[in-house]
Amino acid sequence: GNSVTQMEGPVTLSEEAFLTINCTYTATGYPSLFWYVQYPGEGLQLLLKATKADDKGSNKGFEATYRKETTSFHLEKGSVQVSDSAVYFCALSDRGADGLTFGKGTHLIIQP
Amino acid sequence: EAGVTQSPTHLIKTRGQQATLRCSPISGHTSVYWYQQALGLGLQFLLWYDEGEERNRGNFPPRFSGRQFPNYSSELNVNALELEDSALYLCASSLEGWSNQPQHFGDGTRLSIL
Repeated sequence: GNSVTQMEGPVTLSEEAFLTINCTYTATGYPSLFWYVQYPGEGLQLLLKATKADDKGSNKGFEATYRKETTSFHLEKGSVQVSDSAVYFCALSDRGADGLTFGKGTHLIIQP
Repeated sequence: EAGVTQSPTHLIKTRGQQATLRCSPISGHTSVYWYQQALGLGLQFLLWYDEGEERNRGNFPPRFSGRQFPNYSSELNVNALELEDSALYLCASSLEGWSNQPQHFGDGTRLSIL
């Protein structure tokens, strides 16, 4: 079956630090990959996506590259802000029939 | 464009009762997914509706059921509520269910079982 593994945290960084959240996956097919973000008391917001190998998704300063050879989709940001504090979920979709398969989420805390 | 809307925001029930949760997808989206986000268990796929039909379900007992209406809105019913059903229930919609289109989520319904 499909699965997603990501560091759970909490990950605590100072403002303006460089961020990397690792995500690796296993899939039977050729999935699309996503990063979602969840702020306290809210649902999930789509942060970025990639649909094929070597695609780079980017949004709001965040980036992730679909690496088929290492089955990874690591999330990066060059300079984090306090407002980036949230829980980040890596997810995959393999044709949509089984819904999204999520990692357990990484709680990110940015200190001023 | 209005996003995915869910109601109610909070729902408090007791063991053995039934709960009904509602979801309106983004206009033009025909696929609706339901997920359970329980403490310590992460996000788990519950049900997928597309064009009015249940297309797939996750590893949940039959007391979790639902339907999709002709306007593509959906409701999730949970019968014979148990304490472990306490969770945030998230609804998502997408343009097409059989592809890898992104899913867009509502803010969820927090179901608390006393």
